[in-house]
Amino acid sequence: EAQVTQNPRYLITVTGKKLTVTCSQNMNHEYMSWYRQDPGLGLRQIYYSMNVEVTDKGDVPEGYKVSRKEKRNFPLILESPSPNQTSLYFCASSVEGSNTGELFFGEGSRLTVL
Amino acid sequence: GQNIDQPTEMTATEGAIVQINCTYQTSGFNGLFWYQQHAGEAPTFLSYNVLDGLEEKGRFSSFLSRSKGYSYLLLKELQMKDSASYLCAVHSWGKLQFGAGTQVVVTP
Repeated sequence: EAQVTQNPRYLITVTGKKLTVTCSQNMNHEYMSWYRQDPGLGLRQIYYSMNVEVTDKGDVPEGYKVSRKEKRNFPLILESPSPNQTSLYFCASSVEGSNTGELFFGEGSRLTVL
Repeated sequence: GQNIDQPTEMTATEGAIVQINCTYQTSGFNGLFWYQQHAGEAPTFLSYNVLDGLEEKGRFSSFLSRSKGYSYLLLKELQMKDSASYLCAVHSWGKLQFGAGTQVVVTP
């Protein structure tokens, strides 16, 4: 089954404790991206990747890192989480970037930073 | 930068038609997406407009006018399951910016 898988789905952590949210897709998509969704603000892009070893900042990259060592994986790293990073996070992928096809979203990861 | 505006909420009755408008101001433009998102779930793709005009897909249609920076999503023959948030998103050089979403409430 074609899918985008995120882990963990739910996480409560404390300020400063490094964490990684994994994202994996099995559709051989070149493009992958991370978003956070907050009430009243909609989805905001954190980072995106057009292909392996190519990553770029979205609109809200501060406090986050990403890597794209393999085509299928695009982990989101919070080196030192802070309470303002409490949010619902979505990973998404598509073929050749979103100009040719739909974005497939993962189920979301709800992160709480205390 | 980009500004994407859409109404916060719309209410309509079952069987009716609702039109959700989206206006945008962007420094670049490759296309415009519409997504549907039910509460607590991931967004699901509805449509993608690159050229001006109307694209119809069953009960849903999407329109784009690039010169006016305007799009709308038309939902016909509304069903209760159409109650959801509808997200307008502009694609520009790999970046994808979403509006805050329009919550559509369908009443019996």
